[in-house]
Amino acid sequence: GIQVEQSPPDLILQEGANSTLRCNFSDSVNNLQWFHQNPWGQLINLFYIPSGTKQNGRLSATTVATERYSLLYISSSQTTDSGVYFCAVMTTDSWGKLQFGAGTQVVVTP
Amino acid sequence: DGGITQSPKYLFRKEGQNVTLSCEQNLNHDAMYWYRQDPGQGLRLIYYSQIVNDFQKGDIAEGYSVSREKKESFPLTVTSAQKNPTAFYLCASTRTSGHIQYFGAGTRLSVL
Repeated sequence: GIQVEQSPPDLILQEGANSTLRCNFSDSVNNLQWFHQNPWGQLINLFYIPSGTKQNGRLSATTVATERYSLLYISSSQTTDSGVYFCAVMTTDSWGKLQFGAGTQVVVTP
Repeated sequence: DGGITQSPKYLFRKEGQNVTLSCEQNLNHDAMYWYRQDPGQGLRLIYYSQIVNDFQKGDIAEGYSVSREKKESFPLTVTSAQKNPTAFYLCASTRTSGHIQYFGAGTRLSVL
């Protein structure tokens, strides 16, 4: 099956800093989603981005499908950005099934 | 409010016992999913259902069972055959397969 690798595994930021999270995948995808899991376990969908660039407030994401990677940018980080960020992908062969990466644990300190 | 409701929030299982986790959605979504998350790891798919009365095994279905008798409901039973059930269980739904997934708040299952 498809492999999904996220980097870095852990990230510590000071409030106000910018950062980039990366998601590499081993096969062509037709669906890519970014999620944020807060410290209480709730997952929230951030982006549905199989290709191109999207922005939502201080967050933006870019997926370059031909080169099999996606980037999530966090600008002017806040303590509420802490948590785990997951990338998840779906291929034509596995229609309906998202494959999750291991996540990037982000801690934003005041 | 529309959303996905999982219950209970915490659940304890005794040796040899079957337990059932509830997942209800009022989003009118066709597809529903069950994931397992172990500490420090990503999500792994247990079962999913794209329409009522139909479901498919995910990557780690052994020791689990599901039913999909109603569009709104997708309960997961953790059977006694699942020898290591302690984990965080997440239910999700999506309008149709391939669209944005929305998650419930999860159920934490522990073994007594």
